[in-house]
Amino acid sequence: ETGVTQSPTHLIKTRGQQVTLRCSSQSGHNTVSWYQQALGQGPQFIFQYYREEENGRGNFPPRFSGLQFPNYSSELNVNALELDDSALYLCASSLAGTSGYEQYFGPGTRLTVT
Amino acid sequence: GIQVEQSPPDLILQEGANSTLRCNFSDSVNNLQWFHQNPWGQLINLFYIPSGTKQNGRLSATTVATERYSLLYISSSQTTDSGVYFCAVVDAGANNLFFGTGTRLTVIP
Repeated sequence: ETGVTQSPTHLIKTRGQQVTLRCSSQSGHNTVSWYQQALGQGPQFIFQYYREEENGRGNFPPRFSGLQFPNYSSELNVNALELDDSALYLCASSLAGTSGYEQYFGPGTRLTVT
Repeated sequence: GIQVEQSPPDLILQEGANSTLRCNFSDSVNNLQWFHQNPWGQLINLFYIPSGTKQNGRLSATTVATERYSLLYISSSQTTDSGVYFCAVVDAGANNLFFGTGTRLTVIP
C-alpha cells in the first residue's frame, strides 16, 4: 500500500511569485485535503477535494486554489505569495469526502517566502 | 467553529515514565484522531477514536464523547516519543479536521 506523497520537499520563493505544490493520495483513497501549518501552531484547513470538486474550504483567500485529477492526486496553487505564506503545507487523503473517515498525512512541503 | 484545547502545552519526562495527555472539545464530533508530529514535520497517525478505548503497544487512548474529552496515555516513555502530539476532531457539520494547539513532549534519557 502506497502512502501519501508530496512534492517538492522544500521550496524557496520570492514575494509576489506563484507556487504549485503536489500531492498523491494513498492508494484506494479518493479525497484530498490541504492544511497550512505555521511555525509553532497546529495545522489549519485550506480546502478539500472530492471527486475532482472542492468539497469545503477554510478561511483562506481566493489566491489559494486547487485541483484534483482523475487519479485523485491534487495540486495546491498559491498566487501573489506573501511573507506570511511561509509554512509547512500538509496534504491528507481519506477514503471519502465525509467526516467519518480517518485522514492520513503526507510528509509536507516546507515553503519559505522571502 | 469547534474549539479544541490540549493540555498540558509542554511536558518533560524522564525515560521510562508514564504520561497522560488531554484533549477537550466544545461540540459533538464524528471523528477524533491523535497524531504524533516528528521533528521533520510528518504527522503520524496514532489513533482514530471518535469514542471508546483503543490500545497499540505502549500507547492507549480513550474518548468519552458524551463528556467531550479524549485522553492519550503513553507508558514507559522512550526518547523517540519526543515531539508534538496533536488531537484533531471533525464536527458534525464539517469534513475537515480542527486541530488543537498540541502538547510538546520531551523525553530525556
